[in-house]
Amino acid sequence: EAEVAQSPRYKITEKSQAVAFWCDPISGHATLYWYRQILGQGPELLVQFQDESVVDDSQLPKDRFSAERLKGVDSTLKIQPAELGDSAMYLCASSWGRRTDTQYFGPGTRLTVL
Amino acid sequence: QKEVEQNSGPLSVPEGAIASLNCTYSDRGSQSFFWYRQYSGKSPELIMFIYSNGDKEDGRFTAQLNKASQYVSLLIRDSQPSDSATYLCAVNRSNDYKLSFGAGTTVTVRA
Repeated sequence: EAEVAQSPRYKITEKSQAVAFWCDPISGHATLYWYRQILGQGPELLVQFQDESVVDDSQLPKDRFSAERLKGVDSTLKIQPAELGDSAMYLCASSWGRRTDTQYFGPGTRLTVL
Repeated sequence: QKEVEQNSGPLSVPEGAIASLNCTYSDRGSQSFFWYRQYSGKSPELIMFIYSNGDKEDGRFTAQLNKASQYVSLLIRDSQPSDSATYLCAVNRSNDYKLSFGAGTTVTVRA
C-alpha cells in the first residue's frame, strides 16, 4: 500500500538552530500539505502545494519558516532559526486533487527545541 | 465559535461496548467529513469519510451525518483495547476546501 514518507521521525535541536524536514507524497498525488500539531490539538495547516506551486501559505510564519516543492514531487519544510515554541509534530499529507479529496498523512516528525 | 468542536474526553468504555463520538461544525456549506484515528505519538490515520446525510458503515465503525443539525458522529461497535486512541473529526471548509480539525476525543477501552 502506498504511503507518505517523512524524515526524520524525530529531531532534537537547540533554539536558534536550523532544521529541515522532508516529505515524499503518495505517487501521483498532486497536492501536498504541511501541518503542525501541538499536543492536545488538531493539526493546523501551514502550507499547501498544488504540484510545485504554493496554493496557501497564509499560516506559515514566513520570517522563519520556508517550504518548497521544486519538482512537484517531494517537499522540504525548513525552520531557521528554531524557537522553543516550534516544538510540535510536523505532519505531511497528500491527496489526489485540491478540493475534497481524502488526505493521507505520513508518520510525522516530532520536533523538540531545547 | 470554533469551526469544529469535539468533546475532549476521555471517553472510557468497557471492552465489547459501543463508543459514541460526536462532532459539530460551524460551516453550513461543508460537504465532506472525515474521521481520523491517532494513536499516542503517531500520525492521524483515516478511518472513514462521509459525504451524504445518513449512516455509513465500515466494519465495526459507523459514521452518521446530519447536515441540517451540522453534526457528525462516529460509532465504534464491539470496542477493543486496540481502539484506544484519539479520534479527530475533520471537515472541508466550503470556501476554500481546507480541512478544519477538531481537537480530538480520547477514547479508552477498558479490558
